[in-house]
Amino acid sequence: SQTIHQWPATLVQPVGSPLSLECTVEGTSNPNLYWYRQAAGRGLQLLFYSVGIGQISSEVPQNLSASRPQDRQFILSSKKLLLSDSGFYLCAWDRGSGQPQHFGDGTRLSIL
Amino acid sequence: GQQLNQSPQSMFIQEGEDVSMNCTSSSIFNTWLWYKQDPGEGPVLLIALYKAGELTSNGRLTAQFGITRKDSFLNISASIPSDVGIYFCAGQLGPPGANSKLTFGKGITLSVRP
Repeated sequence: SQTIHQWPATLVQPVGSPLSLECTVEGTSNPNLYWYRQAAGRGLQLLFYSVGIGQISSEVPQNLSASRPQDRQFILSSKKLLLSDSGFYLCAWDRGSGQPQHFGDGTRLSIL
Repeated sequence: GQQLNQSPQSMFIQEGEDVSMNCTSSSIFNTWLWYKQDPGEGPVLLIALYKAGELTSNGRLTAQFGITRKDSFLNISASIPSDVGIYFCAGQLGPPGANSKLTFGKGITLSVRP
């Protein structure tokens, strides 16, 4: 069966520090991968998606970037975090054949 | 752009009651999905609908894909305390590539009084 892992589960970072959140999927190949941000008590905002290695599409202008160095690995990064980057970050995958997206357990990011 | 409308933002029901949630869109989708999110966790898929008019059940949950392809509803019967959470609807145009992206509603927070 397929599983998706995100880490860390929680992260507290100072303003201006770098960021690297990692997401990996197991049990499937060539998945579509997604990064979402969820502000407290609000819906899901799509940040990036990827249909293959090295292919990244950005949905909103922001202080973050994404990379896909391997087929089942998706990384969310920032060179300098802003206070507004705080939130709950979710990674998701699907098979790209009309099947539903499945989510990881998320990373709670707090910027001080 | 596409938007999904879920309202009200919060619902409060008594344990044992049934509850219905609607999701509407100004544009059509070819797939409708319902997710539930518990606090501090990622959303979990409840039901997926792939065909207009389709009615699908998953235990005490029933969801329908509207005939117009612009709406869907989710029913929960005989609610229990663990039904508490945020319920999101999502629409998808379908593959390939960018059309696999989901459009989410803002979610409905369900509270169940014992």
